Amino acid sequence: KAGVTQTPRYLIKTRGQQVTLSCSPISGHRSVSWYQQTPGQGLQFLFEYFSETQRNKGNFPGRFSGRQFSNSRSEMNVSTLELGDSALYLCASSLVGEQYFGPGTRLTVT
Amino acid sequence: AQSVTQLDSHVSVSEGTPVLLRCNYSSSYSPSLFWYVQHPNKGLQLLLKYTSAATLVKGINGFEAEFKKSETSFHLTKPSAHMSDAAEYFCVVSVPLTGTASKLTFGTGTRLQVTL
Repeated sequence: KAGVTQTPRYLIKTRGQQVTLSCSPISGHRSVSWYQQTPGQGLQFLFEYFSETQRNKGNFPGRFSGRQFSNSRSEMNVSTLELGDSALYLCASSLVGEQYFGPGTRLTVT
Repeated sequence: AQSVTQLDSHVSVSEGTPVLLRCNYSSSYSPSLFWYVQHPNKGLQLLLKYTSAATLVKGINGFEAEFKKSETSFHLTKPSAHMSDAAEYFCVVSVPLTGTASKLTFGTGTRLQVTL
């Protein structure tokens, strides 16, 4: 089975812009979670989607949003980018129990 | 609330010697615990998981971990380190949410250095 894929792998944006990241889960997995990884804050939970519905959300501002499509692919959007949004954004899919991670999208905000 | 504490931010071992990465957990009930590994510029790979079955859990690449309820610990070990084991290791607890959902709460990570 193919693993979790994320596109793009690297992205450079300027402050104030918006960005959309994409995640394709493992075939058959209906749950997709997003995490932000930074040197200062470590790995933090953003939100989780299941069957096109956001089931749970972490403690991030409303500039961070997402959605899930009927084929379970998910997108994450960050509006009005700030320098502090520079991070590795990881997506994970799961069926039941353990989560399987993609390689991440490295976002740099200048 | 469920949380994990990784006791060492950095561990250095010589190739061929044992590896011990320490993790303590806090949970109000029997937790689901995981160890993930992250190589530079890569995503996270699941090494092993504990879900209240056997207390000694074997994972990939020769790693294993033992769940000790009395000590609230879930330490990761490997008998003989290899250069390719150099990476960041995360101890993780699964926090149940609504329905069948869960989120992962990560420790701060332990960077393993393997020297010749």
